[in-house]
Amino acid sequence: KQEVTQIPAALSVPEGENLVLNCSFTDSAIYNLQWFRQDPGKGLTSLLLIQSSQREQTSGRLNASLDKSSGRSTLYIAASQPGDSATYLCAVRPPGANSKLTFGKGITLSVRP
Amino acid sequence: DVKVTQSSRYLVKRTGEKVFLECVQDMDHENMFWYRQDPGLGLRLIYFSYDVKMKEKGDIPEGYSVSREKKERFSLILESASTNQTSMYLCASRVPGQVSGYTFGSGTRLTVV
Repeated sequence: KQEVTQIPAALSVPEGENLVLNCSFTDSAIYNLQWFRQDPGKGLTSLLLIQSSQREQTSGRLNASLDKSSGRSTLYIAASQPGDSATYLCAVRPPGANSKLTFGKGITLSVRP
Repeated sequence: DVKVTQSSRYLVKRTGEKVFLECVQDMDHENMFWYRQDPGLGLRLIYFSYDVKMKEKGDIPEGYSVSREKKERFSLILESASTNQTSMYLCASRVPGQVSGYTFGSGTRLTVV
């Protein structure tokens, strides 16, 4: 059974710092991996989707990498801002047209002004 | 832009009431999902639907049912609400196939008193 782990559960950094959020998964047989952001009391917003054949995806100050063989993904946030404060979740999708996501429990990020 | 709309942001219901949570997507997606999210437990899949009138149980279907009469609408039904169903409920949709990611709604915070 696929398990997705995100450690640490919470992180506090000063504004301007470049940071890396980690995600590990136990089964390397995946279709894709998706990073989400969740603000308190809100739904999930998709940030980046990496297909199993890809190594990384970029959107603005965000860069996500995928290493299937080691079961790891990282979300890199450049020049962090207080507005980046949120919970970041990663989720992996196994093979299969109608397969379902397995989520990590998320990392709650606080960026201090 | 693609949208998944959950009809209510906040709901307060009494124990024993029948509760309907509505989710509508405007992307012509075949797959739709209902999750609940609780502190420390993460996201857990309640039910999903591959297509109209098709439904399958997720990891925690007890106490819930669903309805998918039209492609764009997926309803979650709490037949007799209980206090342990107090939670954040999230709806998502997706096109089948490897390349697609999930799109989530903004969530419904349900409190059962």
